[in-house]
Amino acid sequence: NAGVTQTPKFRILKIGQSMTLQCTQDMNHNYMYWYRQDPGMGLKLIYYSVGAGITDKGEVPNGYNVSRSTTEDFPLRLELAAPSQTSVYFCASSYSEPSSPLHFGNGTRLTVT
Amino acid sequence: GNSVTQMEGPVTLSEEAFLTINCTYTATGYPSLFWYVQYPGEGLQLLLKATKADDKGSNKGFEATYRKETTSFHLEKGSVQVSDSAVYFCALSELLEKLSFGAGTTVTVRA
Repeated sequence: NAGVTQTPKFRILKIGQSMTLQCTQDMNHNYMYWYRQDPGMGLKLIYYSVGAGITDKGEVPNGYNVSRSTTEDFPLRLELAAPSQTSVYFCASSYSEPSSPLHFGNGTRLTVT
Repeated sequence: GNSVTQMEGPVTLSEEAFLTINCTYTATGYPSLFWYVQYPGEGLQLLLKATKADDKGSNKGFEATYRKETTSFHLEKGSVQVSDSAVYFCALSELLEKLSFGAGTTVTVRA
């Protein structure tokens, strides 16, 4: 029962570097999401996708990009890392919305220095 | 827009104590309401939900009742255990709107 799998678990980047956070789910969910979690701020939606080939911006999309070429995978790309992107990133998926529960990965802790 | 306000933490309790975490919401229509829990080092997982007024969600000894008249969805547990130590998030979802989360309340239960 893999659910939602995120890699890597931890990463340290220098300012200006780029990286891709990987997310894959094996539940055949159409909806996938990327959130960032900052202390005392709850979760903020970065991007989401309602199906393969379709993506849309959330509350805080600046500095990020996503793609959804398959139902299973939803990678998040940081092109020019900035200290403000230091955060914990969570990928999630759901069968539908709005009342379907979200299934979360275990997160990626990213530090940009 | 939609928003969720939950009580600030951290909350520290002794085992077998009663836990309440307050949550109020603002929404334009008739949202679904959720409590998610995040154990240390893990992602969030759904604890319980309610989809219409006066519904009571329950799971693992936790309960919350959807109160439309007070726009609230307070989480309660009658007797907490050390294993209940976690961060608890209240959340709201409305048709065509994405899930909105509260800031989270950290709960620590001491033996």
